[in-house]
Amino acid sequence: GIQVEQSPPDLILQEGANSTLRCNFSDSVNNLQWFHQNPWGQLINLFYIPSGTKQNGRLSATTVATERYSLLYISSSQTTDSGVYFCAVSVGANSKLTFGKGITLSVRP
Amino acid sequence: EAQVTQNPRYLITVTGKKLTVTCSQNMNHEYMSWYRQDPGLGLRQIYYSMNVEVTDKGDVPEGYKVSRKEKRNFPLILESPSPNQTSLYFCASSPRGMTYEQYFGPGTRLTVT
Repeated sequence: GIQVEQSPPDLILQEGANSTLRCNFSDSVNNLQWFHQNPWGQLINLFYIPSGTKQNGRLSATTVATERYSLLYISSSQTTDSGVYFCAVSVGANSKLTFGKGITLSVRP
Repeated sequence: EAQVTQNPRYLITVTGKKLTVTCSQNMNHEYMSWYRQDPGLGLRQIYYSMNVEVTDKGDVPEGYKVSRKEKRNFPLILESPSPNQTSLYFCASSPRGMTYEQYFGPGTRLTVT
């Protein structure tokens, strides 16, 4: 099956700093999503981005499908950005989302 | 508001006592699925449904049942829960299969003692 690797596994930032989270995948995908899992366990949709670039406030994402990677950018980080960030992909219409292991982000005040 | 809802959000139960976790979406989505999340194992798909009366197994279906009698509802049934089913469960839906954005519910934290 498809492999999804996220890096770095852990990230500690000072409030106000910028960061880049990376997701590499091993095959062509028809779906790629970024999620934020908050401390209460909820999975928050950040981006649906199988290709191209999107921005939503302080967050933006870019997927280069031909090179099989996606980047999530967080600018001017806030303590509420803390949590685990997951990249998830799928390779078929009837398949499933395969999740990476996640990146644990801690933003210190 | 467009959303996926799950009930209950938290449940502590005992081994062997049948339970149902409900999932409902108000977006007229055709595709629905269930995942479980466990430390060290990540999120894994349990079952999915492409439409009413169409369900199929995911990666970890053992010990679970589902039904899809209405488009909006996709309950997860544990006929005889065991401690290894202690987990965080998520329901998800999308307009039509995996090529569309998946919308996740808030999660159900289940503990089986």
